[in-house]
Amino acid sequence: DGGITQSPKYLFRKEGQNVTLSCEQNLNHDAMYWYRQDPGQGLRLIYYSQIVNDFQKGDIAEGYSVSREKKESFPLTVTSAQKNPTAFYLCASGTGPLLGNSPLHFGNGTRLTVT
Amino acid sequence: SQQGEEDPQALSIQEGENATMNCSYKTSINNLQWYRQNSGRGLVHLILIRSNEREKHSGRLRVTLDTSKKSSSLLITASRAADTASYFCATDLDSNYQLIWGAGTKLIIKP
Repeated sequence: DGGITQSPKYLFRKEGQNVTLSCEQNLNHDAMYWYRQDPGQGLRLIYYSQIVNDFQKGDIAEGYSVSREKKESFPLTVTSAQKNPTAFYLCASGTGPLLGNSPLHFGNGTRLTVT
Repeated sequence: SQQGEEDPQALSIQEGENATMNCSYKTSINNLQWYRQNSGRGLVHLILIRSNEREKHSGRLRVTLDTSKKSSSLLITASRAADTASYFCATDLDSNYQLIWGAGTKLIIKP
């Protein structure tokens, strides 16, 4: 079955440590996205990539970094510079390049807790 | 800034009843999408409606779009326990196709 796999489901880290969240898709989608979801709020875009070896900052990119070396993979690193990293992180993919005119496919998320 | 805002924030109904939730937005859009999110899971796409469309159906789901009022509604008919989830609308601005998300409506279906 085609889909998006995020791992791990739960991640616990100490403050000051960098952590990398994995996102893999086998839908052959060109575009991939990272969102952050906080309780009672809508999704906020961190980074997106429309093609391999290219990515763009979203609304809340500070303290995060990404890479897109393969079409299938779009890992997100939460760095120690991110002031409030505890959140639910969602990876999505789409046929792109425009977000609004085609549906997004989401992974099941990674819940990151930093103490 | 928040473009889409769902209303109500929470809704609790009996199984078998219809559930209606609304989404309002501030500026012109190209498209509006509705998604469902079960607790602790990713979002699942339900329906995409374009700005030149007024109504779309998918099974027990009916979405309407009123561009003059800048609002959309999602109707779930004959609700089931499995419909318990949060429902989000996402809009893209007329001049920018990036999606902007509302905070969601939490729907609880009581058996």
